[in-house]
Amino acid sequence: AQKITQTQPGMFVQEKEAVTLDCTYDTSDPSYGLFWYKQPSSGEMIFLIYQGSYDQQNATEGRYSLNFQKARKSANLVISASQLGDSAMYFCAMREGDNQGGKLIFGQGTELSVKP
Amino acid sequence: DVKVTQSSRYLVKRTGEKVFLECVQDMDHENMFWYRQDPGLGLRLIYFSYDVKMKEKGDIPEGYSVSREKKERFSLILESASTNQTSMYLCASSPRTGGSRRFSYEQYFGPGTRLTVT
Repeated sequence: AQKITQTQPGMFVQEKEAVTLDCTYDTSDPSYGLFWYKQPSSGEMIFLIYQGSYDQQNATEGRYSLNFQKARKSANLVISASQLGDSAMYFCAMREGDNQGGKLIFGQGTELSVKP
Repeated sequence: DVKVTQSSRYLVKRTGEKVFLECVQDMDHENMFWYRQDPGLGLRLIYFSYDVKMKEKGDIPEGYSVSREKKERFSLILESASTNQTSMYLCASSPRTGGSRRFSYEQYFGPGTRLTVT
């Protein structure tokens, strides 16, 4: 079974509008962390935002926020005021429990295209 | 700044060749990882290492081996390259997870190696 599911292979958004990228996860561990990464066409993976399972508030980093709904096991990324430079692949990832080495499990990714 | 470097951005090899992909990090991280990325499948973990000379299989280790003789260097080896190993290979590193931040350490990635096996 998929541990991390991103159901939107591709998304379009108009410049300056907000967009939500979906991510659902599956774990029975009460302690876990959720991450979002951005991968521009150049290929490097850029860390965007982190949410811990015990964090009381939703994480925010500049124009990025994480809509964390624990009961629904969802961790959607919200990008406000989209910019052309936001066009990229976006990956959701999870770290479960105290796994040795700090492994991450990644979703399939969502390709975001920002239209001028 | 954390820096993770990979030996090549693009590589073309023939079927049956032995292929070495090198990864070096300069932040004294204990953990290092090799992923392959394929369209529609995201990143899949091949092998990881949490200490020098230590290695653990990830989700898709078949056809690959790794070596970590020094803390900063983690090598991925394709013993006999096959066309189904054509992919983007990404290396990453992170500090040892533990303590109050044991879930929050992000992984730092290299620029990737696009390997084509013909």
